[in-house]
Amino acid sequence: QSALTQPASVSGSPGQSITISCTGTSSDVGSYNLVSWYQQHPGKAPKLMIYEVSKRPSGVSNRFSGSKSGNTASLTISGLQAEDEADYYCCSYAGSPVVFGGGTKLTVL
Amino acid sequence: QVQLQESGPGLVKPSETLSLTCTVSGGSISSYYWSWIRQPAGKGLEWIGRIYTSGSTNYNPSLKSRVTMSVDTSKNQFSLKLSSVTAADTAVYYCAREAGGYTIFDYWGQGTLVTVSS
Repeated sequence: QSALTQPASVSGSPGQSITISCTGTSSDVGSYNLVSWYQQHPGKAPKLMIYEVSKRPSGVSNRFSGSKSGNTASLTISGLQAEDEADYYCCSYAGSPVVFGGGTKLTVL
Repeated sequence: QVQLQESGPGLVKPSETLSLTCTVSGGSISSYYWSWIRQPAGKGLEWIGRIYTSGSTNYNPSLKSRVTMSVDTSKNQFSLKLSSVTAADTAVYYCAREAGGYTIFDYWGQGTLVTVSS
């Protein structure tokens, strides 16, 4: 299976909203509502931010939201804050294996 | 609070077998899926495989021929063996709990760097 496709980088100013896309295929993103998103700060382990396309774990800010249309999932961060600057990875079930996206570096200007 | 800790050699010679163990504390290892995920320096995440506490496994098709996972519920540990390693296997290796459903990695270890070099 191939990695999911994410933009290499996105940027936004504090207070703005950004959206990160994650494009897969009909064998992964398109077939299952099992897409999750992870935030990773440098030198740290990834942190679960969104699961099952649009659900937020306890403790994750409601500024983070997820959606899916067809073979593409999206993560939206509203009201950007400096601490949101990190790498973001999407992840999808692919019928037993799991596939990650290549990652997107978010820069808060 | 569940905690995961990876342990094992930080340096492995080419063609040898990489062996890592993940110790789970603060909760039982039972009734969950447990995964290994790796990340080469400056690159993205790659799922290696998962094991259930019954011992059933699923592996990344691209690594399947070289991967073996096992679990020891009495020690609250699970392990990874990756054979015939090359420099391309140099990465930070994470263990993680996959809870509630596939792709929900809710607890992660801090990661351990494994370098393949002679």
